[in-house]
Amino acid sequence: EPEVTQTPSHQVTQMGQEVILRCVPISNHLYFYWYRQILGQKVEFLVSFYNNEISEKSEIFDDQFSVERPDGSNFTLKIRSTKLEDSAMYFCASSVDYISNQPQHFGDGTRLSIL
Amino acid sequence: KQEVTQIPAALSVPEGENLVLNCSFTDSAIYNLQWFRQDPGKGLTSLLLIQSSQREQTSGRLNASLDKSSGRSTLYIAASQPGDSATYLCAVFSGGYQKVTFGTGTKLQVIP
Repeated sequence: EPEVTQTPSHQVTQMGQEVILRCVPISNHLYFYWYRQILGQKVEFLVSFYNNEISEKSEIFDDQFSVERPDGSNFTLKIRSTKLEDSAMYFCASSVDYISNQPQHFGDGTRLSIL
Repeated sequence: KQEVTQIPAALSVPEGENLVLNCSFTDSAIYNLQWFRQDPGKGLTSLLLIQSSQREQTSGRLNASLDKSSGRSTLYIAASQPGDSATYLCAVFSGGYQKVTFGTGTKLQVIP
């Protein structure tokens, strides 16, 4: 069964540095998402992306964050000037269609540790 | 603002028992509700998706119901197995284009 893949599985970065998290969604999917889960807390929606633009974003997704689909397969989340509180699991997800009808498929996540 | 609550936070049952996990949400204007399973160190696996017009969905030993008017959903697991041990998350899609709110989860342990 096709999977959403995320790299790296664990990223350690110094505070203030930029980090790029990478995702390869399922090939025929059109909608892409990023979520984060701080240890012991809820999964939080960050952003959704369709047709090469952001379609929805949460209050968390401020100017520090950006997303991009640089080619036909990758979907990236860039975090600029990282802070300690950015430490979390970041999950990428994709769906074939608008989410009211189709379930989202998640990757295994990238654990981001900010030192 | 949508709030999603899951009760209980943790549950431990002997193998073979039937069980019910609960999810409640504050804004009934939802597009759909999805139940996920999360294993330690892993991503989320979609179990069932119920559209706002539906009352329930079934997949194998799992049955999810939705009562929009009361803001509730339940996940029923029949004949539980040790492999069902995981955290179960409820996610509500509402309030805007592709916006989703997750619950806090129920950590289930099925004892052999």
